Amino acid sequence: DGGITQSPKYLFRKEGQNVTLSCEQNLNHDAMYWYRQDPGQGLRLIYYSQIVNDFQKGDIAEGYSVSREKKESFPLTVTSAQKNPTAFYLCASSPRDRGRRTGELFFGEGSRLTVL
Amino acid sequence: GNSVTQMEGPVTLSEEAFLTINCTYTATGYPSLFWYVQYPGEGLQLLLKATKADDKGSNKGFEATYRKETTSFHLEKGSVQVSDSAVYFCAPMDTGRRALTFGSGTRLQVQP
Repeated sequence: DGGITQSPKYLFRKEGQNVTLSCEQNLNHDAMYWYRQDPGQGLRLIYYSQIVNDFQKGDIAEGYSVSREKKESFPLTVTSAQKNPTAFYLCASSPRDRGRRTGELFFGEGSRLTVL
Repeated sequence: GNSVTQMEGPVTLSEEAFLTINCTYTATGYPSLFWYVQYPGEGLQLLLKATKADDKGSNKGFEATYRKETTSFHLEKGSVQVSDSAVYFCAPMDTGRRALTFGSGTRLQVQP
């Protein structure tokens, strides 16, 4: 089945450690996104990538890093520089329709990161 | 960039009641508009969308109309069910970044 797979679903980290969240899609979508969700808040954009080997910072990129070496994969690293990393992280991808970005996002099930 | 204002929740309704969740936004131009739904512990799912002024998106009994004059995209359903209990997000497309800007979400609780 086509979809977006995020792993791990739950992750615990000690302060000062980097951690990488995986996001893989087999939908053949060009664009991929990472959002962060905190309780009672909407989703905030961390990074996005419209094409392989290219990505841009979103609204809250500080303390995070990404790579886009393959179309299917867009891993997110939460570094020790991120001051408050405990959150729910959502990865998404987006297709084109006749060459234009539709805006519609397809989401994974999320990864919940807790810093101990 | 875009901004979105949604009514605060939780919204608590009895089964078969009428639902309205207000959403207004600021954006450059006339972006596509989306409503997403999130069930507990899950990612978001597209509920409906509208791509131009006066378009009405609809799905599973939910409707929303693209009102460019009031920059609004209010979500409505005539008769809610317990299974509609979830968090609902309004999201206009940021046409510059080609990414969605999400509202803070409105939690809906439907009681039997």
